[in-house]
Amino acid sequence: GAGVSQSPSNKVTEKGKDVELRCDPISGHTALYWYRQSLGQGLEFLIYFQGNSAPDKSGLPSDRFSAERTGGSVSTLTIQRTQQEDSAVYLCASSLGSIRGLVRSPLHFGNGTRLTVT
Amino acid sequence: SQKIEQNSEALNIQEGKTATLTCNYTNYSPAYLQWYRQDPGRGPVFLLLIRENEKEKRKERLKVTFDTTLKQSLFHITASQPADSATYLCALDNGYSSASKIIFGSGTRLSIRP
Repeated sequence: GAGVSQSPSNKVTEKGKDVELRCDPISGHTALYWYRQSLGQGLEFLIYFQGNSAPDKSGLPSDRFSAERTGGSVSTLTIQRTQQEDSAVYLCASSLGSIRGLVRSPLHFGNGTRLTVT
Repeated sequence: SQKIEQNSEALNIQEGKTATLTCNYTNYSPAYLQWYRQDPGRGPVFLLLIRENEKEKRKERLKVTFDTTLKQSLFHITASQPADSATYLCALDNGYSSASKIIFGSGTRLSIRP
């Protein structure tokens, strides 16, 4: 009955290094989202996976950002050559997704990974 | 481009009063609108979902309205309590396709003073 798990909870890295952030969604959830939240700001959409469909990558801010979802479960968000402006909380959420004609399932969020680029 | 605005960054009200938060959107036709609560250091938690063909939804002390003509949702907390202090986020998606993403407003930070 675990919720969405994200690791690490905190990550400090030097500018120019690559980082990997991990998300373990709720078992059986077909939809998985990554959002970014800067201090005091709202949630900025990054990428969305739904089942076996091609992911919606329209929110990724640059080609330094990429994400994978293996086996329809665990997801990894990778940021290459990190910059100071990448510092933020990265939130992952999963849901049962949406089936045409049925109510949209709400999102279940993890508590995020706080990334600090020095 | 699609835009979601929540009426104010912060709202301070007296305990026991009704808090009303606003979510406006442009260049969007959502099929669903959701409200979430976020406490410091935590991920958002789902509160309520309302469909485009529903005018109002209630859950305990919470009430949400959805006016697709005005492109606006109002979120009410009646008999507010200090424990209701948090940031509240509205979220929209068109829901017509399983490939549609959910986008969020910037949030309103609500403080209830005793």
